[in-house]
Amino acid sequence: DAGVIQSPRHEVTEMGQEVTLRCKPISGHDYLFWYRQTMMRGLELLIYFNNNVPIDDSGMPEDRFSAKMPNASFSNLKIQPSEPRDSAVYFCASSLGKSIYGYTFGSGTRLTVV
Amino acid sequence: QKEVEQDPGPLSVPEGAIVSLNCTYSNSAFQYFMWYRQYSRKGPELLMYTYSSGNKEDGRFTAQVDKSSKYISLFIRDSQPSDSATYLCAMNKAAGNKLTFGGGTRVLVKP
Repeated sequence: DAGVIQSPRHEVTEMGQEVTLRCKPISGHDYLFWYRQTMMRGLELLIYFNNNVPIDDSGMPEDRFSAKMPNASFSNLKIQPSEPRDSAVYFCASSLGKSIYGYTFGSGTRLTVV
Repeated sequence: QKEVEQDPGPLSVPEGAIVSLNCTYSNSAFQYFMWYRQYSRKGPELLMYTYSSGNKEDGRFTAQVDKSSKYISLFIRDSQPSDSATYLCAMNKAAGNKLTFGGGTRVLVKP
Protein backbone atom coordinates (compact mmCIF):
# COMPACT_ATOMS: atom_id res chain seq x y z
CA ASP A 1 0.00 0.00 0.00
CA ALA A 2 1.52 3.30 -1.13
CA GLY A 3 -0.32 5.35 1.46
CA VAL A 4 -1.84 8.76 0.83
CA ILE A 5 0.04 10.46 -1.99
CA GLN A 6 0.24 14.23 -2.31
CA SER A 7 1.78 16.37 -5.00
CA PRO A 8 3.70 18.53 -5.34
CA ARG A 9 5.83 18.23 -2.20
CA HIS A 10 6.82 21.88 -2.44
CA GLU A 11 5.22 24.79 -4.25
CA VAL A 12 6.51 28.34 -4.45
CA THR A 13 4.27 30.80 -6.24
CA GLU A 14 3.74 34.50 -6.56
CA MET A 15 0.86 36.28 -4.95
CA GLY A 16 -2.19 36.31 -7.18
CA GLN A 17 -1.39 33.06 -8.97
CA GLU A 18 -3.60 29.98 -8.90
CA VAL A 19 -2.30 27.04 -6.90
CA THR A 20 -3.51 23.45 -7.23
CA LEU A 21 -2.67 20.79 -4.68
CA ARG A 22 -3.38 17.13 -5.42
CA CYS A 23 -4.15 14.07 -3.36
CA LYS A 24 -4.59 10.37 -4.01
CA PRO A 25 -6.18 8.63 -1.01
CA ILE A 26 -5.58 5.04 0.04
CA SER A 27 -7.52 2.71 -2.21
CA GLY A 28 -10.83 1.71 -0.63
CA HIS A 29 -10.94 4.58 1.86
CA ASP A 30 -14.23 6.43 1.70
CA TYR A 31 -13.36 9.56 3.67
CA LEU A 32 -10.91 12.22 2.54
CA PHE A 33 -9.80 15.23 4.56
CA TRP A 34 -7.83 18.37 3.75
CA TYR A 35 -5.92 20.00 6.62
CA ARG A 36 -3.68 23.04 6.82
CA GLN A 37 -0.84 23.29 9.35
CA THR A 38 0.86 26.49 10.49
CA MET A 39 2.96 27.32 13.52
CA MET A 40 0.39 29.78 14.77
CA ARG A 41 -2.79 27.77 14.28
CA GLY A 42 -1.64 24.14 14.24
CA LEU A 43 -3.65 21.62 12.22
CA GLU A 44 -6.93 23.00 10.92
CA LEU A 45 -9.53 20.98 9.04
CA LEU A 46 -10.49 22.71 5.82
CA ILE A 47 -12.97 20.30 4.23
CA TYR A 48 -13.82 16.63 4.13
CA PHE A 49 -15.53 14.29 1.69
CA ASN A 50 -17.44 11.05 2.08
CA ASN A 51 -17.79 8.88 -1.02
CA ASN A 52 -16.59 11.84 -3.13
CA VAL A 53 -19.28 14.18 -1.77
CA PRO A 54 -18.24 17.26 0.25
CA ILE A 55 -19.73 16.92 3.73
CA ASP A 56 -18.34 19.86 5.66
CA ASP A 57 -16.46 22.80 4.18
CA SER A 58 -16.91 25.12 7.15
CA GLY A 59 -13.14 25.27 7.64
CA MET A 60 -12.44 26.67 4.18
CA PRO A 61 -11.15 30.14 5.01
CA GLU A 62 -12.46 32.09 2.04
CA ASP A 63 -14.05 31.79 -1.37
CA ARG A 64 -10.55 31.79 -2.78
CA PHE A 65 -10.32 28.18 -1.62
CA SER A 66 -12.13 25.36 -3.39
CA ALA A 67 -11.84 21.57 -3.32
CA LYS A 68 -13.19 18.82 -5.49
CA MET A 69 -13.19 15.05 -5.51
CA PRO A 70 -14.19 13.94 -9.01
CA ASN A 71 -13.64 10.24 -8.21
CA ALA A 72 -12.63 7.94 -5.38
CA SER A 73 -8.94 8.10 -6.19
CA PHE A 74 -8.33 11.82 -6.59
CA SER A 75 -8.98 15.15 -4.93
CA ASN A 76 -7.60 18.62 -5.48
CA LEU A 77 -7.51 21.82 -3.46
CA LYS A 78 -7.30 25.09 -5.37
CA ILE A 79 -6.43 28.56 -4.15
CA GLN A 80 -7.20 31.38 -6.54
CA PRO A 81 -5.84 34.00 -6.15
CA SER A 82 -3.14 32.97 -3.69
CA GLU A 83 -1.94 35.31 -0.93
CA PRO A 84 1.17 35.25 1.30
CA ARG A 85 -0.98 34.32 4.33
CA ASP A 86 -1.89 31.07 2.56
CA SER A 87 1.68 29.89 3.10
CA ALA A 88 1.44 26.67 5.13
CA VAL A 89 1.77 22.91 4.87
CA TYR A 90 -1.35 21.35 3.41
CA PHE A 91 -2.10 17.76 4.34
CA CYS A 92 -4.50 15.30 2.83
CA ALA A 93 -5.69 12.35 4.90
CA SER A 94 -8.03 9.44 4.30
CA SER A 95 -9.88 6.89 6.41
CA LEU A 96 -12.10 3.87 6.03
CA GLY A 97 -15.37 4.61 7.75
CA LYS A 98 -15.74 7.14 10.52
CA SER A 99 -12.53 8.46 11.94
CA ILE A 100 -12.85 7.16 15.48
CA TYR A 101 -9.59 5.28 14.92
CA GLY A 102 -7.80 8.15 13.23
CA TYR A 103 -6.76 8.94 9.72
CA THR A 104 -3.75 8.20 7.52
CA PHE A 105 -1.99 11.37 6.45
CA GLY A 106 0.04 12.11 3.36
CA SER A 107 3.44 13.77 3.54
CA GLY A 108 1.99 17.18 2.81
CA THR A 109 2.57 20.01 0.34
CA ARG A 110 4.61 22.91 1.61
CA LEU A 111 3.19 26.05 -0.02
CA THR A 112 5.05 29.33 -0.05
CA VAL A 113 3.35 32.38 -1.57
CA VAL A 114 5.72 35.29 -2.13
CA GLN B 1 -9.90 29.43 24.22
CA LYS B 2 -8.99 26.41 22.12
CA GLU B 3 -10.99 23.20 22.53
CA VAL B 4 -7.78 21.20 22.97
CA GLU B 5 -4.74 22.61 24.76
CA GLN B 6 -1.25 21.17 24.54
CA ASP B 7 2.04 22.63 25.78
CA PRO B 8 4.21 23.35 22.72
CA GLY B 9 7.48 22.53 24.49
CA PRO B 10 10.17 21.87 23.53
CA LEU B 11 10.59 19.05 26.01
CA SER B 12 14.20 17.89 26.20
CA VAL B 13 15.08 14.63 27.96
CA PRO B 14 18.15 12.37 28.11
CA GLU B 15 18.03 9.03 26.33
CA GLY B 16 16.39 6.37 28.48
CA ALA B 17 14.21 8.80 30.42
CA ILE B 18 10.41 8.70 30.55
CA VAL B 19 8.70 11.27 28.38
CA SER B 20 5.40 12.56 29.75
CA LEU B 21 3.01 14.43 27.46
CA ASN B 22 -0.50 15.65 28.08
CA CYS B 23 -3.50 17.48 26.68
CA THR B 24 -6.53 19.05 28.25
CA TYR B 25 -9.83 19.58 26.54
CA SER B 26 -12.96 21.52 27.27
CA ASN B 27 -15.71 19.69 25.38
CA SER B 28 -17.15 16.65 27.17
CA ALA B 29 -18.54 15.43 23.83
CA PHE B 30 -15.09 14.15 22.89
CA GLN B 31 -15.13 10.38 23.26
CA TYR B 32 -12.27 9.01 21.15
CA PHE B 33 -8.68 10.00 21.77
CA MET B 34 -5.55 9.57 19.70
CA TRP B 35 -1.89 10.39 19.75
CA TYR B 36 0.01 11.16 16.57
CA ARG B 37 3.74 11.47 16.04
CA GLN B 38 5.05 13.89 13.44
CA TYR B 39 8.65 13.92 12.29
CA SER B 40 10.03 17.07 10.70
CA ARG B 41 8.67 17.62 7.19
CA LYS B 42 6.46 14.53 7.38
CA GLY B 43 2.76 13.95 7.90
CA PRO B 44 1.40 12.92 11.31
CA GLU B 45 1.29 9.16 11.90
CA LEU B 46 -1.09 7.48 14.31
CA LEU B 47 0.57 6.07 17.43
CA MET B 48 -2.31 5.07 19.66
CA TYR B 49 -6.03 5.47 20.01
CA THR B 50 -8.28 4.86 22.97
CA TYR B 51 -11.92 5.23 23.88
CA SER B 52 -12.51 4.68 27.54
CA SER B 53 -10.99 6.22 30.61
CA GLY B 54 -8.01 4.28 31.88
CA ASN B 55 -4.69 3.10 30.52
CA LYS B 56 -3.71 1.49 27.24
CA GLU B 57 -0.25 0.10 26.64
CA ASP B 58 1.58 -0.61 23.39
CA GLY B 59 5.23 -1.45 23.74
CA ARG B 60 7.04 1.54 25.20
CA PHE B 61 3.96 3.74 24.88
CA THR B 62 1.17 4.16 27.43
CA ALA B 63 -1.89 6.32 26.83
CA GLN B 64 -4.06 7.48 29.71
CA VAL B 65 -7.49 9.06 29.57
CA ASP B 66 -9.28 10.74 32.45
CA LYS B 67 -12.64 11.88 31.14
CA SER B 68 -13.76 13.28 34.49
CA SER B 69 -10.82 15.70 34.41
CA LYS B 70 -10.83 16.12 30.62
CA TYR B 71 -7.17 15.19 30.58
CA ILE B 72 -5.19 12.74 28.46
CA SER B 73 -1.57 11.68 28.68
CA LEU B 74 1.05 9.81 26.71
CA PHE B 75 4.09 8.26 28.35
CA ILE B 76 7.13 7.02 26.44
CA ARG B 77 9.38 4.68 28.42
CA ASP B 78 13.06 4.14 27.70
CA SER B 79 13.06 7.06 25.28
CA GLN B 80 15.33 6.90 22.24
CA PRO B 81 16.76 9.65 20.02
CA SER B 82 14.44 8.30 17.29
CA ASP B 83 11.50 9.38 19.48
CA SER B 84 12.47 13.01 18.83
CA ALA B 85 9.43 14.43 17.06
CA THR B 86 6.33 16.50 17.62
CA TYR B 87 3.50 14.65 19.37
CA LEU B 88 -0.06 15.73 18.71
CA CYS B 89 -3.12 14.68 20.61
CA ALA B 90 -6.37 14.42 18.69
CA MET B 91 -9.94 13.69 19.66
CA ASN B 92 -13.28 12.99 18.10
CA LYS B 93 -16.91 13.20 19.16
CA ALA B 94 -18.95 10.02 19.34
CA ALA B 95 -20.75 10.40 16.05
CA GLY B 96 -18.38 12.77 14.39
CA ASN B 97 -15.88 12.52 11.61
CA LYS B 98 -13.74 15.51 12.38
CA LEU B 99 -10.64 15.11 14.47
CA THR B 100 -9.71 18.11 16.59
CA PHE B 101 -5.98 18.37 17.19
CA GLY B 102 -3.88 19.90 19.91
CA GLY B 103 -1.08 22.18 18.81
CA GLY B 104 1.59 19.54 19.40
CA THR B 105 4.52 19.17 21.80
CA ARG B 106 8.02 19.06 20.38
CA VAL B 107 10.15 16.40 22.07
CA LEU B 108 13.92 16.12 21.87
CA VAL B 109 15.65 13.01 23.22
CA LYS B 110 19.36 13.62 23.63
CA PRO B 111 21.84 10.72 23.31
